[in-house]
Amino acid sequence: DGGITQSPKYLFRKEGQNVTLSCEQNLNHDAMYWYRQDPGQGLRLIYYSQIVNDFQKGDIAEGYSVSREKKESFPLTVTSAQKNPTAFYLCASSRSMQPQHFGDGTRLSIL
Amino acid sequence: DQQVKQNSPSLSVQEGRISILNCDYTNSMFDYFLWYKKYPAEGPTFLISISSIKDKNEDGRFTVFLNKSAKHLSLHIVPSQPGDSAVYFCAASAIRDNFNKFYFGSGTKLNVKP
Repeated sequence: DGGITQSPKYLFRKEGQNVTLSCEQNLNHDAMYWYRQDPGQGLRLIYYSQIVNDFQKGDIAEGYSVSREKKESFPLTVTSAQKNPTAFYLCASSRSMQPQHFGDGTRLSIL
Repeated sequence: DQQVKQNSPSLSVQEGRISILNCDYTNSMFDYFLWYKKYPAEGPTFLISISSIKDKNEDGRFTVFLNKSAKHLSLHIVPSQPGDSAVYFCAASAIRDNFNKFYFGSGTKLNVKP
């Protein structure tokens, strides 16, 4: 059964630590995306990647980094430079110019 | 500055009646619009889309209307069912971005009462 898997569902980290969120898809989609959702706000694009080994900054890329070494995987690292990292993070994938499929999200809390 | 706005955080309707969810946008370059539905603890799922060359798209109980001059779109659900209770997001994109950058509204929580 094809889909997008985000892990873990909940993540707790101490302030000042980097943390990496996992996103894997088996839909054979070329494009992958990371969004952040805060209470009362829509999804905001952090990074996206259209092909392997290439990625572009979204609207709120500061304090985040990504890699795209495999088509199936698009991990997001929340660095200590991200001033307000506590949020709900959603990963998505899509075929070219098609609606995006989303994972179930990771809720990150900084202690 | 939000380019896509959903000004109603919540909506409550009776089962069997029509639900109308609204969305406004500011960027005239947007030419592709989508609605997503989200249940708690799950990711959004794609519901229906419309391109700017159309003013209406229908899929079963769901119809999306686009008014380009008003920069407004709406989602109609008829008849509404309790299983439709969820948060609905509208999103917009532009062909100049190859539809890779979507801008989302803040969502409207729909409650369909039995």
